[in-house]
Amino acid sequence: DSGVTQTPKHLITATGQRVTLRCSPRSGDLSVYWYQQSLDQGLQFLIQYYNGEERAKGNILERFSAQQFPDLHSELNLSSLELGDSALYFCASSVTGGGYGYTFGSGTRLTVV
Amino acid sequence: DQQVKQNSPSLSVQEGRISILNCDYTNSMFDYFLWYKKYPAEGPTFLISISSIKDKNEDGRFTVFLNKSAKHLSLHIVPSQPGDSAVYFCAAGGIYYGGSQGNLIFGKGTKLSVKP
Repeated sequence: DSGVTQTPKHLITATGQRVTLRCSPRSGDLSVYWYQQSLDQGLQFLIQYYNGEERAKGNILERFSAQQFPDLHSELNLSSLELGDSALYFCASSVTGGGYGYTFGSGTRLTVV
Repeated sequence: DQQVKQNSPSLSVQEGRISILNCDYTNSMFDYFLWYKKYPAEGPTFLISISSIKDKNEDGRFTVFLNKSAKHLSLHIVPSQPGDSAVYFCAAGGIYYGGSQGNLIFGKGTKLSVKP
């Protein structure tokens, strides 16, 4: 157990729908990162939050949004889902905004049918 | 534009031999590099890192080499064990590369198979 908790582990939904993925960072970690891993793709950085504030944006679609709450858990919202959004979505956390020592959760596998 | 490249999707080695995984990068502003290991159905786990001011970092059976002039790093595993079979991701980051501090850029990964 890495200490980073992601729920749900699996999600199957239809095109056009909206889903919310949840991440609880490791205790004491202030920064949360979201990554997407599609088939044959590496880990694509989506967005980073630090202590409730958005810190950086990567290749995140406009249909996707995220937030980090006062208790530091984060949610990634995916809307108007398309077949191509099927992927593994990983959350990672770190103590600071620095990249050393990312701790990843075990991911949420999203399947859009 | 892929800033971190792992050109070998897979690598197979015999148990006890050396595994060498390679990674190339394009952005000279990266100032640290990391390797992560990923087993199926698990998230990536941190393995070893190296700062751009060093050219080698060693941790047990794992050694990372950095060649800044060639924008190349490699991970050596000696001796390789069947439990090392996993996907290995190379990652790079830094304060000034254009992203934010802490935002790591990952390669596509290399699947290592260590055969008994």
